[in-house]
Amino acid sequence: GNSVTQMEGPVTLSEEAFLTINCTYTATGYPSLFWYVQYPGEGLQLLLKATKADDKGSNKGFEATYRKETTSFHLEKGSVQVSDSAVYFCALRSANAGGTSYGKLTFGQGTILTVHP
Amino acid sequence: NAGVTQTPKFQVLKTGQSMTLQCAQDMNHEYMSWYRQDPGMGLRLIHYSVGAGITDQGEVPNGYNVSRSTTEDFPLRLLSAAPSQTSVYFCASRRGGGGETQYFGPGTRLLVL
Repeated sequence: GNSVTQMEGPVTLSEEAFLTINCTYTATGYPSLFWYVQYPGEGLQLLLKATKADDKGSNKGFEATYRKETTSFHLEKGSVQVSDSAVYFCALRSANAGGTSYGKLTFGQGTILTVHP
Repeated sequence: NAGVTQTPKFQVLKTGQSMTLQCAQDMNHEYMSWYRQDPGMGLRLIHYSVGAGITDQGEVPNGYNVSRSTTEDFPLRLLSAAPSQTSVYFCASRRGGGGETQYFGPGTRLLVL
């Protein structure tokens, strides 16, 4: 079955530091890949996504590239801010989702990021 | 659009009590789902629906029931609450298709004593 593995957290950085959160996956075919962010006390919000190999998703200074050869979708940001403190989830959905095939999201365990001033 | 809304935000139950968690969306999405979030385990799918009148089980369905009588609403029922059901519950909705974005509600925090 599908699975997602994220780097262990928590991650603590100083403001303006470079961020990488590793994500690798196991799935058949070409799944769609997502990064979700959860701010304290809130639900999950889509941060970025990529639906085919070599696609780069980007949003709010965050980037991730769909690497089929390494089955990875690592999240990066060049200069983090205190406001980026949150929990980050990597997720995938099977490529054959649609119709009555629900195509559930498979989540990693989440990585807690704390950014200090 | 209000997006995905959930009520209540927080609930305390005693073991054996029943309750319904409400979820509604105003985006005319076909797909809706319920997840539970537990520390260190990410989100796990409880039940889902691909359209009105159609529901199915996810990874962890035991102890929960759902129904989908309208496109907009997807309530989750706990039949007889147990301490193991203490969790944060998220409802989500999206259009069909593998690359479609899933929109999440703000969550319901449930404590079962």
